[in-house]
Formats: sequence, structure tokens, C-alpha cells
Amino acid sequence: NAGVMQNPRHLVRRRGQEARLRCSPMKGHSHVYWYRQLPEEGLKFMVYLQKENIIDESGMPKERFSAEFPKEGPSILRIQQVVRGDSAAYFCASSRSGSGDTQYFGPGTRLTVL
Amino acid sequence: GESVGLHLPTLSVQEGDNSIINCAYSNSASDYFIWYKQESGKGPQFIIDIRSNMDKRQGQRVTVLLNKTVKHLSLQIAATQPGDSAVYFCAEGTGFQKLVFGTGTRLLVSP
Repeated sequence: NAGVMQNPRHLVRRRGQEARLRCSPMKGHSHVYWYRQLPEEGLKFMVYLQKENIIDESGMPKERFSAEFPKEGPSILRIQQVVRGDSAAYFCASSRSGSGDTQYFGPGTRLTVL
Repeated sequence: GESVGLHLPTLSVQEGDNSIINCAYSNSASDYFIWYKQESGKGPQFIIDIRSNMDKRQGQRVTVLLNKTVKHLSLQIAATQPGDSAVYFCAEGTGFQKLVFGTGTRLLVSP
């Protein structure tokens, strides 16, 4: 039973480029969450999605960041025109439902902006 | 605003000892609490959770205690092993959706 999968595991971008982070939830899970973690800090919630719907994006920066979870395929976190401050580990979690179910995390994507 | 914090940033114990990691939370409306373990370079790994209608829950070698009166959460690890060395995060949730994480406690287990 494969866990949450994220790719790429490491991503290097230059300032101004775009970063695309992918997350495939656990089998049978239809709820996806994205979190960001800076070194030596806890995870900060960004966005919560169900298939084809954004449920809560209260933690997402208003500009340059977007997320989607299409009917088919992985969830995508997209960062346009990256800046050095975007360098962080981005974790995806999934749950079977949005209420009462544990969130299981993927291994993360470590984004470095040069 | 909401916050989840930890009293001790680093905890050093000897192998075989019992470990206690503490966490304070401020949102009295939180109804779900979770402990995660994170090893270097990896994602958070679920350890144990507890609902607000409980005050204690036990797992394999781990126990979580919840004191809603003082808004305090603790994780007890029995017979700590070197493999338990990691950063431990408490997290709280409301409506079982987004989680608010604490800053973490590093547990160091020496043989």
C-alpha cells in the first residue's frame, strides 16, 4: 500500500522561474493538504483541496501561488516567479475524508531558489 | 491568534529511559490533537492522536495525555530507543481539517 508520493524530491530554480510540485495521495484518499516548512520550524498550512475543489486556501500567499487537484492525476502546487524566500520544504498530506481522518504525509519536496 | 508551542526545544535521554515531550496550545476550540515524528530529510510520520473528549490514549510504547483545563498535551515514550531520535511535533485541528503545528522538540537518545 503505497503512501503519499511527492515529486520531485529536490527542485532547484533560479529567481523568476516557475516551480511545480506534485503530490499523489494514498490510494482511496480524496483529500489533499499542502504545508510549508522552513528549517528548524514547524509546518505551516497552505491549502486544502478535494478533487476539483479548493476547500481552504487561507494559508496560501495571495500572489504567485496556486494549487489544483484535478479529477485525474496528482495535486499540483505551482509557484510562479520564485524568489529566494520561497526556498523551503513543501509537504503534501492526504486523508480519506475531511472529517475525523488522520493526515498522512509524503516525503516532501525541497525547493531551493538560487 | 492560534498557536501551539512547546516548552522544551531539545530533550536528551539515555536509552531505556522514559521520555516526556510537552506541548501547550491556546485554541480552546481545538478538538483534535496529533503527535508526529520527523526524522531528518523525511516527512512527518503519524504517531498517535487524541480527540478532545478523551484525556488519555495509549499506543505501542507511546501514550498521549490531554489536559484541557490547562491546554496541555504530552507524549510519553516508554523505554526510549536510539531509533526514537527525531523531532517531535504536536499539532491541533478544528473540524479535522487544517492542522496547526508547534515548532517541535528534538529528542536525542544516547546509548
